[in-house]
Amino acid sequence: GENVEQHPSTLSVQEGDSAVIKCTYSDSASNYFPWYKQELGKRPQLIIDIRSNVGEKKDQRIAVTLNKTAKHFSLHITETQPEDSAVYFCAASKGGSGTYKYIFGTGTRLKVLA
Amino acid sequence: KAGVTQTPRYLIKTRGQQVTLSCSPISGHRSVSWYQQTPGQGLQFLFEYFSETQRNKGNFPGRFSGRQFSNSRSEMNVSTLELGDSALYLCASSLSPGLDEQYFGPGTRLTVT
Repeated sequence: GENVEQHPSTLSVQEGDSAVIKCTYSDSASNYFPWYKQELGKRPQLIIDIRSNVGEKKDQRIAVTLNKTAKHFSLHITETQPEDSAVYFCAASKGGSGTYKYIFGTGTRLKVLA
Repeated sequence: KAGVTQTPRYLIKTRGQQVTLSCSPISGHRSVSWYQQTPGQGLQFLFEYFSETQRNKGNFPGRFSGRQFSNSRSEMNVSTLELGDSALYLCASSLSPGLDEQYFGPGTRLTVT
């Protein structure tokens, strides 16, 4: 069935270093890939997303890359700061096909050490 | 614009009881999805509603059900509660389901004892 694998499950980096989180999806028809950040005790919030017709998207310190052939996409955070510490979730969906559901990865707990 | 709201925020129930959770989406959003969040399991999809119709359902037992009203507000019901149902239940609304951002509510923390 549809599945999204996310790695690593935990990641610790020194402040100022970069962090990379990787996800692999199973359904080749997936065409929308959002990333959500969930801080402790708060709701998930979208930080960046990418559609299948684009290979890379950047927004200040965060970027997402998509490799449709390999069916994987990655989140890159540069110059990490303590406030980047949170759980990050990737997701894949295939909007417009009638399924209308987002499949989420299991999350990555990022710790930025000051 | 008001965000997604969920009520109640916290619930404590006893095994065997049933519970109803409510979600009010952002005004104008007709799609509402429900998720169960437990430590280590991420966000497990329960079901999605659009214009009062359930269009998709996740791999959960029939004890989990939901509905959507004409004003897009949605409820989910869990009958015959089990200890394993203890979780944070999140709802999310979106304008273009599957193709756009989902806006999450604060969640309902359900504890089954």
